[in-house]
Formats: sequence, C-alpha cells, structure tokens
Amino acid sequence: EDQVTQSPEALRLQEGESSSLNCSYTVSGLRGLFWYRQDPGKGPEFLFTLYSAGEEKEKERLKATLTKKESFLHITAPKPEDSATYLCAVSYGGSQGNLIFGKGTKLSVKP
Amino acid sequence: DAGVTQSPTHLIKTRGQQVTLRCSPISGHKSVSWYQQVLGQGPQFIFQYYEKEERGRGNFPDRFSARQFPNYSSELNVNALLLGDSALYLCASSLAAVGQPQHFGDGTRLSIL
Repeated sequence: EDQVTQSPEALRLQEGESSSLNCSYTVSGLRGLFWYRQDPGKGPEFLFTLYSAGEEKEKERLKATLTKKESFLHITAPKPEDSATYLCAVSYGGSQGNLIFGKGTKLSVKP
Repeated sequence: DAGVTQSPTHLIKTRGQQVTLRCSPISGHKSVSWYQQVLGQGPQFIFQYYEKEERGRGNFPDRFSARQFPNYSSELNVNALLLGDSALYLCASSLAAVGQPQHFGDGTRLSIL
C-alpha cells in the first residue's frame, strides 16, 4: 500500500539544539515531495518542493533533502517560533494531482 | 497578493443537515483541491478540479460533492451530515494540476452535533 510515514511523531528541542525530521515514502513514480508547516488552527503553509533524489532546498534555519526513499527536514539552531507541526506530502503517478500526506511531526522548541 | 480564502471559518451543524463550503483560489491558479483533516492526522484528499473539470476523487462517500466555477472558485457540498464529518476542511490551489506546490487556505472548521 502506498504511504508516507513521518518520524518522530513529536520532538521537543531546546532553543539552539539542531535536529532532523524524517519522511519516508513507498510510492512509485514520484512527481514531487512537499514540506509544509502547520500552526494550530491554520492551514498548512508551503515550505519546499523536491523533485529528484539529491536535491536540496534551504530557507532560513530549514534545509530539506531528498533520497529515493526518504526526505529529511534539518532544523539548525531552532527558535521557539519554529514550534509547529511539520507535514510531508507526495504527489506521484498513481495520485494524479492530489497530495498524500503523512501524519506530521509536532515540533516544540523551548527557550 | 491574496492567498486562498475560505468561508465560513467555523460552522456548526446537526446530523442529517447539509453544508456548503466555499473557496477562492490564488489569482491565476486554475487547480483547486479539497482536503479533510481530523485532529492529529494529515489532510486527506477529497476532490481536485482543474479548469472546471473533476480531475480526481478520494475515498469519500457520494454524500460529498464539489464543483468549480468559471472564475475558478469552488464549492464543497456535504449532504446528510454524520458526526464523523466533524473536521477541518481545507482548500488548496495550484497553478497546474500536477507537480506544482499546492497553497492552502486556513480552512473551515465544521462541527456536527
């Protein structure tokens, strides 16, 4: 069964403590892997798109990487305002245009 | 530029009623998708429309229907509401039907009593 799995489910960090979030996928014919940030009561906010293995994207303290089986979202020296749920989603040949989401990683950064 | 806008923001209904949710995409975006998100889960795909044609449908019952208008705005209709339909309903728009990032609105919180 096609699926997207994110780990860990929850992550608590101290301010400045770098870490990584994982997104593994088992779909075939990947057309794009997308990272989103979601704050409570809000819709997902687009962060990055990755299309092929080896691709990397960066934005401020966030860096996303992609292999043939998984993606990592690296958070360098996080701040409390980085606290949110981070969602990973894939678009692939069998999904046509729609996104298949993981359950997300809830990140808490304490000062 | 205005992002994806959804209305209403909150809605309370009772079992058996019908509801219509509305979405205006980002200007220039021709694809609109609807997702359902329950607490603690990622969004689940319901429908995608592109150029006013249905492009895809997720695993939801026929009580769910949608349409897209000539100005690319969209409506999601749910009939015969059940308690399990309580969720955050998200609309997303994108430039193309496939491969482009989807940009989400803040959703409609639907509560069924």
